[in-house]
Amino acid sequence: DAGVIQSPRHEVTEMGQEVTLRCKPISGHNSLFWYRQTMMRGLELLIYFNNNVPIDDSGMPEDRFSAKMPNASFSTLKIQPSEPRDSAVYFCASSRDGVYGYTFGSGTRLTVV
Amino acid sequence: DAKTTQPNSMESNEEEPVHLPCNHSTISGTDYIHWYRQLPSQGPEYVIHGLTSNVNNRMASLAIAEDRKSSTLILHRATLRDAAVYYCILKDSGAGSYQLTFGKGTKLSVIP
Repeated sequence: DAGVIQSPRHEVTEMGQEVTLRCKPISGHNSLFWYRQTMMRGLELLIYFNNNVPIDDSGMPEDRFSAKMPNASFSTLKIQPSEPRDSAVYFCASSRDGVYGYTFGSGTRLTVV
Repeated sequence: DAKTTQPNSMESNEEEPVHLPCNHSTISGTDYIHWYRQLPSQGPEYVIHGLTSNVNNRMASLAIAEDRKSSTLILHRATLRDAAVYYCILKDSGAGSYQLTFGKGTKLSVIP
């Protein structure tokens, strides 16, 4: 089991550019979560999907953020346009029905300059 | 979401047991108690969860008070690799309840 796979591990981009973060959940897990972690705000849930359908996106900070899950094995989190305050570590996690233990990926460290 | 209260930080000597407390006085009957930990530069990692009875697994034990208003995560023999932030989280077991809401957690330092 390769676990939850996130790419890229690190991303440095200029303000105003589009950023796409990618996540491959564990096979058989039907719930997927995107979190953001900063020193100031800790771990925040941005959005989660169940069976590829977005269930709650109330944590998405602004319309600049969007997330998709086109199939059970892939999800993206897009920021367009990016701003320096979006700099954070973004984690993807998956679970089975949101009931059992969640498995997190290693995260993507995003730096917007 | 029901809230939890944890100490900001704790220290332990290597190879000694560690008891990490968590208060959750407003816990509801359908809330499970989950523990996760986050090692430096890594994503959170599931440790253990329980509802009413004490639970054991290969990583840790979870002791739950009879009134369920508090719980304790027990690491039986701390190693340097256990240095992490430990999060105590209440999660509703109801259908359609998916969120895990993280607080600030307890930063555990292990002294060689």
